[in-house]
Amino acid sequence: KAGVTQTPRYLIKTRGQQVTLSCSPISGHRSVSWYQQTPGQGLQFLFEYFSETQRNKGNFPGRFSGRQFSNSRSEMNVSTLELGDSALYLCASSYGGTGNEQYFGPGTRLTVT
Amino acid sequence: AQTVTQSQPEMSVQEAETVTLSCTYDTSESDYYLFWYKQPPSRQMILVIRQEAYKQQNATENRFSVNFQKAAKSFSLKISDSQLGDAAMYFCAYSGTSYGKLTFGQGTILTVHP
Repeated sequence: KAGVTQTPRYLIKTRGQQVTLSCSPISGHRSVSWYQQTPGQGLQFLFEYFSETQRNKGNFPGRFSGRQFSNSRSEMNVSTLELGDSALYLCASSYGGTGNEQYFGPGTRLTVT
Repeated sequence: AQTVTQSQPEMSVQEAETVTLSCTYDTSESDYYLFWYKQPPSRQMILVIRQEAYKQQNATENRFSVNFQKAAKSFSLKISDSQLGDAAMYFCAYSGTSYGKLTFGQGTILTVHP
């Protein structure tokens, strides 16, 4: 089975711009979770989608949004980028049940200048 | 809210030796799951092992095993016969009733010396 894929792998954006990141889950997985990883804050949960519905959301401002398509692929959007949004963004897929193992993609490294 | 604490920012071990990484957590939930993930320099997060809280038996995956002490809310990872490829950042993570959410510890950097 192919693993979780994320595109693009690297991005450089300017403050004020917006960005869209994509995540394709493992075949058969219906849940996609997104995380932000920074040296200062560590790994923080952004949100989770299951069957095109957001089931859970972390403590991030409304500039961070996402969606999921019928094929379970998910996108994450960040509007009005700030310097503090520079981070590694990881997505993970699972079958969606409580406690199911999450399998991570390679991440998208976003740099905001 | 659940919290996960890894008190060892860095650990080192000689190749072929055994090392134990510590993790404690805090929760009021009765049903939950605990994980260890490994993040090598490539930054790819790799699942190492999973423990179900309702199971008393400690999980084992080849050279990796856990010591799960539910009453103490402790979940340590033991790596036996350490290999150079084990060098990475190791994260302890908690999953409870909150859908799709893993709560991570701060991580422990493991160095393996040849």
